[in-house]
Amino acid sequence: DIQITQSPSSLSASVGDRVTITCRASQSINRNLSWYQQKAGKAPNLLIFAATSLQSGVPSRFSGSGSGTDFTLTISSLQPEDFAAYYCQQSYSSPYTFGQGTSLEIK
Amino acid sequence: QVQLVESGGGVVQPGKSLRLSCAASGFTFSSYGMHWVRQAPGKGLEWVAVVWYDRSREYYADSVRGRFTISRDNSKNTVYLEMNSLRPEDTALFYCARDICTGGCCYSFDYWGQGTLVTVS
Repeated sequence: DIQITQSPSSLSASVGDRVTITCRASQSINRNLSWYQQKAGKAPNLLIFAATSLQSGVPSRFSGSGSGTDFTLTISSLQPEDFAAYYCQQSYSSPYTFGQGTSLEIK
Repeated sequence: QVQLVESGGGVVQPGKSLRLSCAASGFTFSSYGMHWVRQAPGKGLEWVAVVWYDRSREYYADSVRGRFTISRDNSKNTVYLEMNSLRPEDTALFYCARDICTGGCCYSFDYWGQGTLVTVS
């Protein structure tokens, strides 16, 4: 099974900050990685698929990069509504594992 | 608009069975793969199972293989998760989710239901 290591597990930042979250796969997954945002009490929401493709309706301040084993989610300028949990997920092979999550909190 | 509505959760004793349903609307259900993803209280997300749009393929997480069965009825726009031999560690909010691709699976999830809670105790 492919293991996904996500870091950091929690992050404190301020409105307007640039934030990056990383995921590392235990083997190459090409560009088969997605990013999700989950707000408290809500279902997850797809932000990025295929490592770099922005899902329809997602603000352009969100971007994804990487391929192979190392991937990054960047939020260019944090907005109040961005404080939430973030998960990466590999779609390369079954089981389609998630990272452990990053809790993004207000500083 | 796309809607996914899960049902069938509840409190069940260890070793017992439960069947979850997810009713879909607002899209051509028979063209999309469908997934179940779960989240234990206060924990992260865990992918559980997928069934292809035409029922030709099913895949499962190691933790549920042999105990859970995913199925679908395209005439009813519904996907199911039959859960047997339930364990306390299966306690979670179970989400159904739509695959992002048609005519095959890409294994990313673009629409999610609100979840149904399963408690094994």
